[in-house]
Amino acid sequence: KAGVTQTPRYLIKTRGQQVTLSCSPISGHRSVSWYQQTPGQGLQFLFEYFSETQRNKGNFPGRFSGRQFSNSRSEMNVSTLELGDSALYLCASSLTAGAEETQYFGPGTRLLVL
Amino acid sequence: AQSVTQLGSHVSVSEGALVLLRCNYSSSVPPYLFWYVQYPNQGLQLLLKYTSAATLVKGINGFEAEFKKSETSFHLTKPSAHMSDAAEYFCAVKPTGGFKTIFGAGTRLFVKA
Repeated sequence: KAGVTQTPRYLIKTRGQQVTLSCSPISGHRSVSWYQQTPGQGLQFLFEYFSETQRNKGNFPGRFSGRQFSNSRSEMNVSTLELGDSALYLCASSLTAGAEETQYFGPGTRLLVL
Repeated sequence: AQSVTQLGSHVSVSEGALVLLRCNYSSSVPPYLFWYVQYPNQGLQLLLKYTSAATLVKGINGFEAEFKKSETSFHLTKPSAHMSDAAEYFCAVKPTGGFKTIFGAGTRLFVKA
């Protein structure tokens, strides 16, 4: 079974631009979560989607948004990019949204904002 | 609020020595607990998880962790370190009934030949 895939793997943008990252979960998984990983802040939860509904959102500004499609694929969008948005963005999928569910992570998208 | 503390941002061991990575959590009720490993330029891989079935949890690659409620700890151990164990390790907690996984700051493990 194919793992979680994220595209693109690397991205360079300039301040003020917007970016869209994509995540394809493992087949059959209906829950997708997004995390931001930076050296200074570590791994921080962005949001979680289950059956096309956002179930929970982390403490990030409104510039960060996401959505999930009927096939469980998910996208996250960051508008008006800032230098501090440079990070590794990780997507994780799980079968359901239960707390005990194992999350399977993708390789991440490394975003560099210049 | 839930939180996770990993003691030691860097741990160095010799090949063949015991690996001990420490994790303490704060929670009013025992949560679900996880250990993940991250190799350079890769995502996170689950090593093991505690879901209240057994206090000693065995994971992949010879790792195990023991849940100690009285100490609110979930330390990760491996009897004999291998060079391939060099990576960053994250302890994580998710409250029962909760949505958000909270990660510790991570511990980078170095293995010396």
